[in-house]
Amino acid sequence: DAGVIQSPRHEVTEMGQEVTLRCKPISGHDYLFWYRQTMMRGLELLIYFNNNVPIDDSGMPEDRFSAKMPNASFSTLKIQPSEPRDSAVYFCASSPRRDRGLSNQPQHFGDGTRLSIL
Amino acid sequence: EDQVTQSPEALRLQEGESSSLNCSYTVSGLRGLFWYRQDPGKGPEFLFTLYSAGEEKEKERLKATLTKKESFLHITAPKPEDSATYLCAVQARRTSYDKVIFGPGTSLSVIP
Repeated sequence: DAGVIQSPRHEVTEMGQEVTLRCKPISGHDYLFWYRQTMMRGLELLIYFNNNVPIDDSGMPEDRFSAKMPNASFSTLKIQPSEPRDSAVYFCASSPRRDRGLSNQPQHFGDGTRLSIL
Repeated sequence: EDQVTQSPEALRLQEGESSSLNCSYTVSGLRGLFWYRQDPGKGPEFLFTLYSAGEEKEKERLKATLTKKESFLHITAPKPEDSATYLCAVQARRTSYDKVIFGPGTSLSVIP
């Protein structure tokens, strides 16, 4: 089975440019998550979707960040304009619908996009 | 405030030297605790889910346990391929949805 697919794997761009990160979740998964990982702050949840609808975006650092999920098989995270402090590894994860009895399912992560803003 | 901490920050073991990693949490309404393994340049890989105090899960040389305030990941007779960063995550109950909080991780190095 194909896992969560992210692209690009690496992105280097100059400050002020628009950056778009892409994610294809595992087919059939209802939840999609965007995370950012840095040495200083660890793994931070930015936003998550349930059935393509944004549920919690409280982790989005500022208005420069936006995320969309136009359909069940694709999501984007956009930064415009980008700043050097946005440099990090961005992960996408997906998880299946929750069972009635056991409400929590583990998240399956992609291999991330390493973003460097110069 | 919900919080997840892990200790130690880094751990260096000789091959075959058993040890434990700790994950301490303070959250309201625990829904589940997850352990993940992360290799350099990769995303976290799921290992275990624990739901209630007293529960234990095992996989090869790893065993995870859960109490009301913390979880332990016991590593028995580790091998060099067990070297990775181990993350724990807590799922906390909210009014209409659950929030997942990750700990900072423990970096494990197993020396041959």
